[in-house]
Amino acid sequence: GNSVTQMEGPVTLSEEAFLTINCTYTATGYPSLFWYVQYPGEGLQLLLKATKADDKGSNKGFEATYRKETTSFHLEKGSVQVSDSAVYFCALRFAGGTSYGKLTFGQGTILTVHP
Amino acid sequence: EPEVTQTPSHQVTQMGQEVILRCVPISNHLYFYWYRQILGQKVEFLVSFYNNEISEKSEIFDDQFSVERPDGSNFTLKIRSTKLEDSAMYFCASKGGGATDTQYFGPGTRLTVL
Repeated sequence: GNSVTQMEGPVTLSEEAFLTINCTYTATGYPSLFWYVQYPGEGLQLLLKATKADDKGSNKGFEATYRKETTSFHLEKGSVQVSDSAVYFCALRFAGGTSYGKLTFGQGTILTVHP
Repeated sequence: EPEVTQTPSHQVTQMGQEVILRCVPISNHLYFYWYRQILGQKVEFLVSFYNNEISEKSEIFDDQFSVERPDGSNFTLKIRSTKLEDSAMYFCASKGGGATDTQYFGPGTRLTVL
């Protein structure tokens, strides 16, 4: 079946540090890939997405590139801020067919950024 | 900006009781979903709902669970007889009609079964 694996957390960084959160997937076919973020007390929000191989999603200084050859979608940010402290979820989705768009999530990575 | 809302934010119930979790999806959306996250585990898909019927469900979504869209605005998840292992955060989500449309999530309802 389809699955997503994220790096073990939690991740603790100092402000302005470089962030990488690894995500790899297993899927039959070519899904769309997503990063969702959950700030304390809030729901999951879409951070960025990529729908085909070599696409790069980006938003709020975060980036991730869809790598078909390594089945990966690692999240990166060059300089994190305290306000980036949240839980980050990698997810995949197949559009159309019988999937009706359900998301398959990784386990989430807690990021804490200290001043 | 339109948002998905969920009530209550926290529900405490006794084992064996019925609970109904409520969601108001974004008004022009056509696809509706429930997910859950047991503490410390992955967010798991439960069910999707389209055109007034269940379109897909996971193996978690057994006969104890049901969903309904009673009035064209609310979308509810009912658990008929709660078990301790139903304790989790339950997220509702909705999506427009396009295959690549974004799913928007509500803030979740934390269900605690005692």
